[in-house]
Amino acid sequence: DAGVIQSPRHEVTEMGQEVTLRCKPISGHNSLFWYRQTMMRGLELLIYFNNNVPIDDSGMPEDRFSAKMPNASFSTLKIQPSEPRDSAVYFCASRRSRETLTDTQYFGPGTRLTVL
Amino acid sequence: AQKITQTQPGMFVQEKEAVTLDCTYDTSDPSYGLFWYKQPSSGEMIFLIYQGSYDQQNATEGRYSLNFQKARKSANLVISASQLGDSAMYFCAMRAAGGSYIPTFGRGTSLIVHP
Repeated sequence: DAGVIQSPRHEVTEMGQEVTLRCKPISGHNSLFWYRQTMMRGLELLIYFNNNVPIDDSGMPEDRFSAKMPNASFSTLKIQPSEPRDSAVYFCASRRSRETLTDTQYFGPGTRLTVL
Repeated sequence: AQKITQTQPGMFVQEKEAVTLDCTYDTSDPSYGLFWYKQPSSGEMIFLIYQGSYDQQNATEGRYSLNFQKARKSANLVISASQLGDSAMYFCAMRAAGGSYIPTFGRGTSLIVHP
């Protein structure tokens, strides 16, 4: 079975540009998570969806960040305009069910974003 | 509120020896799950092992075992017979019903296995 798929794997852009990160969750999983990982702040949850609906976006740093999940097999995280402090590794993860303790959360390979 | 604490920023172990990575947690929820993930230098997050708060026995998965001490609120990961490929960051995480099942991650422990 294919795992969580993310694209692109690496993105280098200039400050002020729009960046779109993409994620395809594991088929049959109905919870999807976006994380950001930096050395300073560790792994931060940005937003999570359940059945394509955003449940908690309190981790989204500011209005420059937005996330969508138009269907069960696709999600995007957009940064507009990007800033150098947005440089990080962005992970997407999915899980089968929202309200259980045992379902494992599986991570994608991550997108390494560098904003110059 | 949920909290995960990993007090060891870095650990070193000799190849073929066992190593314990510490994790303590804090939650008021009686029902919770504990997870460990491995992040090698390539960057991906790999699920290793799960322990439920009501599980009677410590979880084991191959060379990985979880030393679960509920009263002390600790969930240490034990890696037996360390291999060079075990060199990575290791993250402890918790999920509880009271936290809306949103996982909380620790800051991680860097493990280096020496030949």
